[in-house]
Amino acid sequence: NAGVTQTPKFQVLKTGQSMTLQCAQDMNHNSMYWYRQDPGMGLRLIYYSASEGTTDKGEVPNGYNVSRLNKREFSLRLESAAPSQTSVYFCASRIEGRATEAFFGQGTRLTVV
Amino acid sequence: GENVEQHPSTLSVQEGDSAVIKCTYSDSASNYFPWYKQELGKRPQLIIDIRSNVGEKKDQRIAVTLNKTAKHFSLHITETQPEDSAVYFCAASGNRDDKIIFGKGTRLHILP
Repeated sequence: NAGVTQTPKFQVLKTGQSMTLQCAQDMNHNSMYWYRQDPGMGLRLIYYSASEGTTDKGEVPNGYNVSRLNKREFSLRLESAAPSQTSVYFCASRIEGRATEAFFGQGTRLTVV
Repeated sequence: GENVEQHPSTLSVQEGDSAVIKCTYSDSASNYFPWYKQELGKRPQLIIDIRSNVGEKKDQRIAVTLNKTAKHFSLHITETQPEDSAVYFCAASGNRDDKIIFGKGTRLHILP
């Protein structure tokens, strides 16, 4: 039981390049989330998916797209990376229901130069 | 949408003393309030949570209190130990949607 797995762990991109961050969970959770973490800014919600086939914007969605590929997988895409997107990205998931614990992946450290 | 404010941003306490971190939320529909601990270089992990039908919850040295009328909730750590040094995040989640909104975090230093 791996929990929430993110790939890659580290990535360096040049400005304007694109990439997809992958997230998969093996806990049969319905809800999945993408957050970014910057110093002094806490965890800010980028996008979330309440169930397979649905996605919704969070607090800071600009510059990102997401795909809920199936119940297990939720990917985050940067179409044209900018230095302002340098951050640590966390994926999380939780079981159906809004009063339940969210489990986090180990994070992806992304640097855009 | 929901907004969560967390204070203080940094807190230093002597080992053995108590630490208190406070959060406020804006959406009266929020009904679930988790607290996460994040050690350096690690992922956030849940340490305690409280639901809106409860005013207080305790787990060994950690307790959380909730005041729904004032939209305040607080984390209390007693008899602090060096391993309590970390960043702590409060969060709120409710019935309007499936969002979980976090505060900006509190860096807790336990001084020897």
